[in-house]
Amino acid sequence: GDSVTQMEGPVTLSEEAFLTINCTYTATGYPSLFWYVQYPGEGLQLLLKATKADDKGSNKGFEATYRKETTSFHLEKGSVQVSDSAVYFCALRTTDKLIFGTGTRLQVFP
Amino acid sequence: EAQVTQNPRYLITVTGKKLTVTCSQNMNHEYMSWYRQDPGLGLRQIYYSMNVEVTDKGDVPEGYKVSRKEKRNFPLILESPSPNQTSLYFCASSLYRDRGTGELFFGEGSRLTVL
Repeated sequence: GDSVTQMEGPVTLSEEAFLTINCTYTATGYPSLFWYVQYPGEGLQLLLKATKADDKGSNKGFEATYRKETTSFHLEKGSVQVSDSAVYFCALRTTDKLIFGTGTRLQVFP
Repeated sequence: EAQVTQNPRYLITVTGKKLTVTCSQNMNHEYMSWYRQDPGLGLRQIYYSMNVEVTDKGDVPEGYKVSRKEKRNFPLILESPSPNQTSLYFCASSLYRDRGTGELFFGEGSRLTVL
């Protein structure tokens, strides 16, 4: 069945470092792909999305490109801030639901 | 403001005491769903509803019930809670036309502890 695999955390970075969180998926067809973010004590917020191959989603300095050839949707940011500390979830959409990865905790230190 | 509202946000209860977690959305969304979040497992779907009076099981429905009598509300019922239902619960919604492609809008979560 459809599934999402993302890198385990925690990912620990210094402020202004480059961030990559890997995400790969298995799916029939070409589902929409998403990154959600969960800040401490809060719910899930959509960070960015891509609905078809080669689409690039972007928001708040974060980017991810829908790569059909490698079935990947890696999240990147050029310069992280302490305020980016959160748990990041990669997900794909089916008709019935979102299928989530297990989440990657990002910790950014000053 | 467009939102999904869950109540209660925090609850501590005891084994076997029936409880209901309410979920309401003000975006006129047809699709609604419940997820639970557990460490190392991500979010897993419990139940979903494509519209009023239409509900279906997700991946982990055991021990839960739902109903969809009104478009805006989708309560999650735990008839006899057990400690393995201790978790963080999220309600989510979207338009029916976006069911295959669009984002889900999430509530702020309800943290449930069953002793």
